[in-house]
Amino acid sequence: DAMVIQNPRYQVTQFGKPVTLSCSQTLNHNVMYWYQQKSSQAPKLLFHYYDKDFNNEADTPDNFQSRRPNTSFCFLDIRSPGLGDAAMYLCATSFRGSNQPQHFGDGTRLSIL
Amino acid sequence: GESVGLHLPTLSVQEGDNSIINCAYSNSASDYFIWYKQESGKGPQFIIDIRSNMDKRQGQRVTVLLNKTVKHLSLQIAATQPGDSAVYFCAENIANYGQNFVFGPGTRLSVLP
Repeated sequence: DAMVIQNPRYQVTQFGKPVTLSCSQTLNHNVMYWYQQKSSQAPKLLFHYYDKDFNNEADTPDNFQSRRPNTSFCFLDIRSPGLGDAAMYLCATSFRGSNQPQHFGDGTRLSIL
Repeated sequence: GESVGLHLPTLSVQEGDNSIINCAYSNSASDYFIWYKQESGKGPQFIIDIRSNMDKRQGQRVTVLLNKTVKHLSLQIAATQPGDSAVYFCAENIANYGQNFVFGPGTRLSVLP
């Protein structure tokens, strides 16, 4: 089945130690998104790629970076994780254009020690 | 660790009854809306969508109603089942305004036996 796959499902890192989360998709969608979701809150968009065109949300901290080496893969890099960055990180994909639903992976839950 | 989240509004319904989940959206220019279902430990799952040129759309056991006058969206679930227990999010998108979806705060649906 075509899908959005996130690895790992659970990630533990130390305060200040860089961490990378990965996302892959078999849907051949040209847009990939990263969301942060904290407990009992709605997903919050961090940034998205349309093909290789990176679009950052205005309030996304500089601590968060992303890479998209090809259509299928996208990475979220947190350069110096703080305790406040503990959350679920969701990857989503879609076709670009009006009325295009986003398809989500099951997320990576990040814990900071 | 993770910051304490807000308490989600909760709707409790008896198994077999109909559920109605409401959402007030923020932008009168939004013209595409999606309802997502999120189960514990999983990513949001697409349920149904509706465009702003429609007032109602039906799927299998679900109906979405859109009232643009008061910027209100609702999701009706017929004959609610235990497997419907989850958090439900509405999301709005403005066409030709990029790929951003704005998520509502979410409602937790609990199905009572």
